[in-house]
Amino acid sequence: EAGVTQFPSHSVIEKGQTVTLRCDPISGHDNLYWYRRVMGKEIKFLLHFVKESKQDESGMPNNRFLAERTGGTYSTLKVQPAELEDSGVYFCASSRLGWGTFFGSGTRLTVV
Amino acid sequence: DAKTTQPTSMDCAEGRAANLPCNHSTISGNEYVYWYRQIHSQGPQYIIHGLKNNETNEMASLIITEDRKSSTLILPHATLRDTAVYYCIVRDAGTYKYIFGTGTRLKVLA
Repeated sequence: EAGVTQFPSHSVIEKGQTVTLRCDPISGHDNLYWYRRVMGKEIKFLLHFVKESKQDESGMPNNRFLAERTGGTYSTLKVQPAELEDSGVYFCASSRLGWGTFFGSGTRLTVV
Repeated sequence: DAKTTQPTSMDCAEGRAANLPCNHSTISGNEYVYWYRQIHSQGPQYIIHGLKNNETNEMASLIITEDRKSSTLILPHATLRDTAVYYCIVRDAGTYKYIFGTGTRLKVLA
């Protein structure tokens, strides 16, 4: 069984540019989450999808961040425009009801 | 904020048991204790979870005190590959998000 896959693994962009991160959850997992760790801080929850619906987006930092999960399969997280403080590692995770949550390896985003 | 308190770092000799403590004195009745670890820069890896009974799987054992205010993760025979940051997380059964603290940085020494 393939794990949670994230793409790209690394991204370096300039301040003001747009970046889109992709996450492919484990097949059959209805729940999909985004987390991130910015420099020197703890891993923080961003949002939670159940299938294609946003269940909880209380952790999204501001309206420069847009997450989508069309069709309830893969998800994208777009940052537009990117700011320096957005640099960090973005993790995607997935789960199904009654089972554990599995994390991907993350996308390391560097905004310069 | 995280509802758990863990030591910042610990060392353990290779082949010995690693006992990682976690304090969760404000835990409520429907909250589970989860343990994850993060090896180097990989994503967090699920280890084990429990409600009130002790649990064991192929990776580790989880010992929860009777009052549920603290727990201990036990890696029975630590190897160098167990060097990682270990997170103890309390999560309500009715929610899905994890609130990570700073974790314990475990270093297994040869």
